[in-house]
Amino acid sequence: AQTVTQSQPEMSVQEAETVTLSCTYDTSESDYYLFWYKQPPSRQMILVIRQEAYKQQNATENRFSVNFQKAAKSFSLKISDSQLGDAAMYFCAYRRWGSGTYKYIFGTGTRLKVLA
Amino acid sequence: GAVVSQHPSWVICKSGTSVKIECRSLDFQATTMFWYRQFPKQSLMLMATSNEGSKATYEQGVEKDKFLINHASLTLSTLTVTSAHPEDSSFYICSAGGRFGPGTRLTVL
Repeated sequence: AQTVTQSQPEMSVQEAETVTLSCTYDTSESDYYLFWYKQPPSRQMILVIRQEAYKQQNATENRFSVNFQKAAKSFSLKISDSQLGDAAMYFCAYRRWGSGTYKYIFGTGTRLKVLA
Repeated sequence: GAVVSQHPSWVICKSGTSVKIECRSLDFQATTMFWYRQFPKQSLMLMATSNEGSKATYEQGVEKDKFLINHASLTLSTLTVTSAHPEDSSFYICSAGGRFGPGTRLTVL
């Protein structure tokens, strides 16, 4: 069974600085998707970035980028120029195909605090 | 695009009553929707997969008779918590098309 591990329950970053959130996963599949979701206090899940496993190039979305190491099964999120609005829970997720549909497996989350 | 809505956003009910939560895909059709449960400061746990026109698929440990799911159309799935008890109090989130609804906070007194 696939698992997703986020080893950092909480992280802090100074405004305008860069922070990296870690995520590792375990799978025997070769084709899959990985995601980072942000959950602010409103609790609305917001897609931050996604990575397709068959693509070697790391995904980027403005200030957000990933370091995808397929062999190491590592998928970290880098937030550059951190802003106060980045403060939230961040969940790493693995999407697998099973029983005729896609299913998401979420990590336990990392709470990011942004210090002014 | 790909907006998912939920109703209600929060609900308080008495122990023993049933509560229905709706999940709608607003601008797309979804043959499959997902229901998650999230306890405070914890991750999302998949409860069940809602399939349009057929029975829902429940994850291990989820009581299908307690959490009734109906996927009546390609844009609507409902989750009914039957005979609710305080331990059912939680945040329920639906998902479709890779997007998530805003969630429903259920408090059972």
